[in-house]
Amino acid sequence: DTGVSQNPRHKITKRGQNVTFRCDPISEHNRLYWYRQTLGQGPEFLTYFQNEAQLEKSRLLSDRFSAERPKGSFSTLEIQRTEQGDSAMYLCTSSLVAGGANYGYTFGSGTRLTVV
Amino acid sequence: DQQVKQNSPSLSVQEGRISILNCDYTNSMFDYFLWYKKYPAEGPTFLISISSIKDKNEDGRFTVFLNKSAKHLSLHIVPSQPGDSAVYFCAASGGRTSGTYKYIFGTGTRLKVLA
Repeated sequence: DTGVSQNPRHKITKRGQNVTFRCDPISEHNRLYWYRQTLGQGPEFLTYFQNEAQLEKSRLLSDRFSAERPKGSFSTLEIQRTEQGDSAMYLCTSSLVAGGANYGYTFGSGTRLTVV
Repeated sequence: DQQVKQNSPSLSVQEGRISILNCDYTNSMFDYFLWYKKYPAEGPTFLISISSIKDKNEDGRFTVFLNKSAKHLSLHIVPSQPGDSAVYFCAASGGRTSGTYKYIFGTGTRLKVLA
């Protein structure tokens, strides 16, 4: 297991199209988080899962965004009817939370989305 | 409302000298802090963390200091190397209290180490 894997690395799409990104976390990690990073900013929290349960969603996650983690392993983030403002780097991170402590908060390389 | 602030967008340091990157936060509920390094076209790479029960954590050339009363943390890199040139983000979480471990990131400081 070499870390958190995100696909695709880059995605260019026309405004109004739907896109889906995938994140494969480190296998023993029970937590999976999605962040978004725009130019000149730090990553911003979008949502997170504990196993297959989505426990929190940020106000940044509009109705056009949906995330799933169907079997508690990989996760997908879908954006419907993309807008130019959705252009950003989408980052996935996973960790193991056990006994109230958090271990190995590891980021993937991200998916860079460009909406034209 | 920026809860985590990195007020220096960039920093240049000579190779071999100390690099000091600063971070301020406003939320007193934050109890766990991380520093990440980011190269272009890559995801952030974890560097070092510190819990609010400590005021210092060291890992090789990297030391993080936490001043809870000032709500300030700093990352010291000694000695600085050209390969340290990257953007550094600090991040804070109330995870130990809330259990969510979602992080609030600063806007980053671009460190350039000059050979």
